[in-house]
Amino acid sequence: DGGITQSPKYLFRKEGQNVTLSCEQNLNHDAMYWYRQDPGQGLRLIYYSQIVNDFQKGDIAEGYSVSREKKESFPLTVTSAQKNPTAFYLCASMRVTEAFFGQGTRLTVV
Amino acid sequence: RKEVEQDPGPFNVPEGATVAFNCTYSNSASQSFFWYRQDCRKEPKLLMSVYSSGNEDGRFTAQLNRASQYISLLIRDSKLSDSATYLCVALDNQGGKLIFGQGTELSVKP
Repeated sequence: DGGITQSPKYLFRKEGQNVTLSCEQNLNHDAMYWYRQDPGQGLRLIYYSQIVNDFQKGDIAEGYSVSREKKESFPLTVTSAQKNPTAFYLCASMRVTEAFFGQGTRLTVV
Repeated sequence: RKEVEQDPGPFNVPEGATVAFNCTYSNSASQSFFWYRQDCRKEPKLLMSVYSSGNEDGRFTAQLNRASQYISLLIRDSKLSDSATYLCVALDNQGGKLIFGQGTELSVKP
């Protein structure tokens, strides 16, 4: 089955630690996206990539980093510089007419 | 100013009611538009794309006015199962930036 997979579903980390969220797709989509969602809020764009080895900052990139070494993979690292990292993180890949989302990772920093 | 802005919610309506959601976008480079539905603690899913000529899918009708940079979604004969958050989305097809509005929560009551 084609789809987009995020792992893990739930993640707990201590304050000050870097953490990497996984996003893998087998839909052969060029474009991939990372969003953050806080309770009662919409999706805010962190980073996006249209092709391998290229990515752009979104609206809230500070404290995050990404890589796009393979078409299928777009991991997001939440660094210790991110002041308030606890949130729901969603990854998406897109063809022309539709963006497909993974099931998300709920990150809690304690 | 946010790139995509939606009506503030929540909308509380009785079953069978007609409800309309409005959305404006500020990036004139945006070329494609969508409405997504998000259920509580789940990933967003495509409800429908929005075309300049307007499009209808059963009880749902979407309209786009490029001159006014305005998008709408009309839901007729509301069902309990329509209760969700509705997200307005704009895509800059050239730059690849996919921006979501903050969402409007709909609650349909018996």
